[in-house]
Amino acid sequence: QVQLQQSGPGLVEPSQTLSLTCAISGESVATNRAGWNWIRQSPSRGLEWLGRTYYSSKWNYDYAPSVKSRLTISPDTSGNRFSLQMNSVTPEDTAVYYCTRGFLSFGFDSWGQGTLVTVSS
Amino acid sequence: QSALTQPPSASGSPGQSVTISCTGTSSDIGTYNSVSWYQQHPGKVPKLMISEVSKRPSGVPDRFSGSKSGNTASLTVSGLQPEDEADYYCSSYAGNNNLVFGGGTKLTVL
Repeated sequence: QVQLQQSGPGLVEPSQTLSLTCAISGESVATNRAGWNWIRQSPSRGLEWLGRTYYSSKWNYDYAPSVKSRLTISPDTSGNRFSLQMNSVTPEDTAVYYCTRGFLSFGFDSWGQGTLVTVSS
Repeated sequence: QSALTQPPSASGSPGQSVTISCTGTSSDIGTYNSVSWYQQHPGKVPKLMISEVSKRPSGVPDRFSGSKSGNTASLTVSGLQPEDEADYYCSSYAGNNNLVFGGGTKLTVL
């Protein structure tokens, strides 16, 4: 059974960078049987898929158009984890952020516990 | 505004059946058999209930079923039970390595 454990700050100042990490247990981040995604949820925007990384002969990255210019998702094979970095945040980026396992076509079958990130000074 | 349209609320009495719709376009639901449904109880993490339109992951009761017609997908919960009261979200692959969600439906068991 795959388990995902999130870590990172709950408060970020406007214009700064939001950084979160998701530690994976029960599967390798470099598996070709899963992708590793970030999703956020807020009352105003609902659930929003942000992006993913997955390994298939090489590392691949896909980002939602709405955040593509500000988002970087990175795998860490030595630590078996992956991370999210979103720069130039605004209060509109305030949300609960989730890391998930799965493919876009098949759904997300494992979720991290969620991290409430508030963007405020 | 979410890319997929769901009714804000739905309800039914215990034992009854209820169907929740999820309407997209020919660019997402209409083209791809990649609709998923998630159940989320208050303060909890979403749980995958249906994948690929109608497939139930292991452990999901067979009271939950999914279908699709044209640009609209549906989730049917048969034999409603009190624990089915939750928010339900649909998602669909939207091409170009992108995914969209619905705005969610609050299911009330009367």
